[in-house]
Amino acid sequence: AQSVTQLDSQVPVFEEAPVELRCNYSSSVSVYLFWYVQYPNQGLQLLLKYLSGSTLVKGINGFEAEFNKSQTSFHLRKPSVHISDTAEYFCAVRTHSGGGADGLTFGKGTHLIIQP
Amino acid sequence: DGGITQSPKYLFRKEGQNVTLSCEQNLNHDAMYWYRQDPGQGLRLIYYSQIVNDFQKGDIAEGYSVSREKKESFPLTVTSAQKNPTAFYLCASSPGTQETQYFGPGTRLLVL
Repeated sequence: AQSVTQLDSQVPVFEEAPVELRCNYSSSVSVYLFWYVQYPNQGLQLLLKYLSGSTLVKGINGFEAEFNKSQTSFHLRKPSVHISDTAEYFCAVRTHSGGGADGLTFGKGTHLIIQP
Repeated sequence: DGGITQSPKYLFRKEGQNVTLSCEQNLNHDAMYWYRQDPGQGLRLIYYSQIVNDFQKGDIAEGYSVSREKKESFPLTVTSAQKNPTAFYLCASSPGTQETQYFGPGTRLLVL
């Protein structure tokens, strides 16, 4: 079974500063990796995903993430945050299972708080 | 517009009552999923369905039931056996079981 650890439950950052949200996973097989964003009382919106190929993945709203297989990490970064980035961010993983349709396994989320 | 709709946005349940949450998608996706979200817990999988007339239990299926009679619909019933139903419920769908999942806006269930 796979698991996802988001090391920080809250990350306060000043506006226009850079941010990194950390995500580590464990799995005995190859995985697909995702970052989702959730604004208050809304569903989840896909930010970016890693399926294969280049380990640096660019997503929407200026976010990017780097897949590091040796460190089993998929940290999310943005060089300059805005007030509108205040939200909950979830890292998720699913395995390359040949059959079966397991859902995503989610981390517990990181609340990004942008301070003016 | 293609997308996933969930209704109602808020739902209240009385003790001993079964309630049903609606999830509809017009994306022509084969797979659909139900997740439960609790504060500080992330999302946990309740049930999923790969195709019509087929569904499988997820990690926390006890006290819940589903049906998949149509491709576009995957309703979730929270039964009286679910002793702690207060949560935010999210429905998702994907083109196939190994593909990206897209989420609806969610339904918040509260117990009176």
